[in-house]
Amino acid sequence: GENVEQHPSTLSVQEGDSAVIKCTYSDSASNYFPWYKQELGKGPQLIIDIRSNVGEKKDQRIAVTLNKTAKHFSLHITETQPEDSAVYFCAASPGNQFYFGTGTSLTVIP
Amino acid sequence: NAGVTQTPKFQVLKTGQSMTLQCAQDMNHEYMSWYRQDPGMGLRLIHYSVGAGITDQGEVPNGYNVSRSTTEDFPLRLLSAAPSQTSVYFCASRSAGGTLGQYFGPGTRLTVT
Repeated sequence: GENVEQHPSTLSVQEGDSAVIKCTYSDSASNYFPWYKQELGKGPQLIIDIRSNVGEKKDQRIAVTLNKTAKHFSLHITETQPEDSAVYFCAASPGNQFYFGTGTSLTVIP
Repeated sequence: NAGVTQTPKFQVLKTGQSMTLQCAQDMNHEYMSWYRQDPGMGLRLIHYSVGAGITDQGEVPNGYNVSRSTTEDFPLRLLSAAPSQTSVYFCASRSAGGTLGQYFGPGTRLTVT
């Protein structure tokens, strides 16, 4: 099956700085890559996604890039704010199933 | 819309007991899934369904049963609870078309003693 690795496991940034989280996947059949934000005590919430026919997607301060050849994709958050503090998960999907990374705990220091 | 709802929010079981975690969605989504979340391991798929009457196994299906008799409901049954099933369980749903993103419920925290 698919194997998704995510780095780093923890990340601290100063407010206003950028944060980057990276994921790699193993199954070349994966064609959909969502990113989720999980706040304490809540379920994950989809924040951005990208399909394999697109190299980059941006939504305000959040962007995702995909390199199919290298099998890696990244989440970029610019101008970070304290409310961005949460755990972020990447995922890869070759079809009906989703495979998740182990999560990155992001702390934005005011 | 309430989205995806899960009950109960918390549950404590003794080893060997059985129980059913409830999940319902009001978005008319065809796809529904159950995940468990353990520290340092992300979310792992237990079972999923692509429509009423159709279910399939995910990565970690042992010890769990599911059924999908309606579009709205997707209960997860623990047949004989074990301490290794202590976890936070999330139900998710998504549409078959359009965006593929999943909507997650608030979770059920289960402890098996």
